[in-house]
Amino acid sequence: GAGVSQSPSNKVTEKGKDVELRCDPISGHTALYWYRQSLGQGLEFLIYFQGNSAPDKSGLPSDRFSAERTGGSVSTLTIQRTQQEDSAVYLCASSSRVAWNGYTFGSGTRLTVV
Amino acid sequence: AQTVTQSQPEMSVQEAETVTLSCTYDTSESDYYLFWYKQPPSRQMILVIRQEAYKQQNATENRFSVNFQKAAKSFSLKISDSQLGDAAMYFCAYRPDPNRDDKIIFGKGTRLHILP
Repeated sequence: GAGVSQSPSNKVTEKGKDVELRCDPISGHTALYWYRQSLGQGLEFLIYFQGNSAPDKSGLPSDRFSAERTGGSVSTLTIQRTQQEDSAVYLCASSSRVAWNGYTFGSGTRLTVV
Repeated sequence: AQTVTQSQPEMSVQEAETVTLSCTYDTSESDYYLFWYKQPPSRQMILVIRQEAYKQQNATENRFSVNFQKAAKSFSLKISDSQLGDAAMYFCAYRPDPNRDDKIIFGKGTRLHILP
């Protein structure tokens, strides 16, 4: 696609429920990143996929968080048993390895856990 | 570990005036990229300007320019002739070693208000 697409744009969920957040990167971009932005905070790195390499999961805050990337394209971030502290904006970005010029970001998913 | 520090949580500037946002970073690498991103209320992160560490010349994009001081590990953003549309969160960011795959590290951001 022309840009990075994230869905849903907003999600309200009850504490303890599982949620899935989707990211559709720019076609041809081999790298895909997930960041979390809590209120008043910067962007916290969560996970990074590059081509067929093993993902860098070093930023995932707990084992309730997981992500996968199918076919080197669409990625899903899953949060199990959501907690109120998981409330944040989850941003996805992609980049090209061939012509690296920074990330292209999606508009994010605002997750609210009530 | 590399870190990025933005010491100004909020700033205000009069429309048409000039404002400078500060950023310092810590790294032991000699080659890297530095960025300023803008995040308006729409949440869309927009790349404003980037600087390669090996380049001595400061990057410029229209009304936006940087003051890159490699020895001091400082990377400030100057916005000239501020406009109402410049109101946003601004994030300074660092990416190590352009020859290997790695993630960008962001500062906590500076919220810029433009006063009409």
